[in-house]
Amino acid sequence: DTGVSQDPRHKITKRGQNVTFRCDPISEHNRLYWYRQTLGQGPEFLTYFQNEAQLEKSRLLSDRFSAERPKGSFSTLEIQRTEQGDSAMYLCASSLDVGGNTIYFGEGSWLTVV
Amino acid sequence: DAKTTQPPSMDCAEGRAANLPCNHSTISGNEYVYWYRQIHSQGPQYIIHGLKNNETNEMASLIITEDRKSSTLILPHATLRDTAVYYCIVRVAHSGNTPLVFGKGTRLSVIA
Repeated sequence: DTGVSQDPRHKITKRGQNVTFRCDPISEHNRLYWYRQTLGQGPEFLTYFQNEAQLEKSRLLSDRFSAERPKGSFSTLEIQRTEQGDSAMYLCASSLDVGGNTIYFGEGSWLTVV
Repeated sequence: DAKTTQPPSMDCAEGRAANLPCNHSTISGNEYVYWYRQIHSQGPQYIIHGLKNNETNEMASLIITEDRKSSTLILPHATLRDTAVYYCIVRVAHSGNTPLVFGKGTRLSVIA
């Protein structure tokens, strides 16, 4: 079990630039989630995939955000035209849709927009 | 919104049991109680979950009251590495499209 892997772990970007984060879920996990966490707050749900299908999006996911999971394995989260308010940790998680469906998180990708 | 209520912070002496309470008075019959913790700057770590029976694993024990309106997470012998924010979450276990909804959790400080 290699766990959920996220890349890059840290990213500093200038306002207005685009950034992309990658998530590799636990092998054979067919569900994949993205969360965002700002300082002092708990993680907030952004979106969820079942295999390659994006089944739910939070209202927090503005039109500058896009997530994909093209082959039902890894996923990317792209933020276009970044704003300072996008500075946060972006967490990826995965689960298997059998048993208890326990969700396991990666270590997160920190984004700082300057 | 989170369906649970937790104290914002607690202290525990190293080597003693840490008992973290959680209220979930509106829990539904098919909702499980999940506990996660988050050590500074890391992703949330799954600890344990349960429906109505008490549960124990290598990390902790979960005690759920008979009416299921509250629960307690017990770390039997707290160490400094257990210092973290602990989140209590209620969720339907087998439904992937009910994401975990995190509140602000309890910040546990284990003191030497």
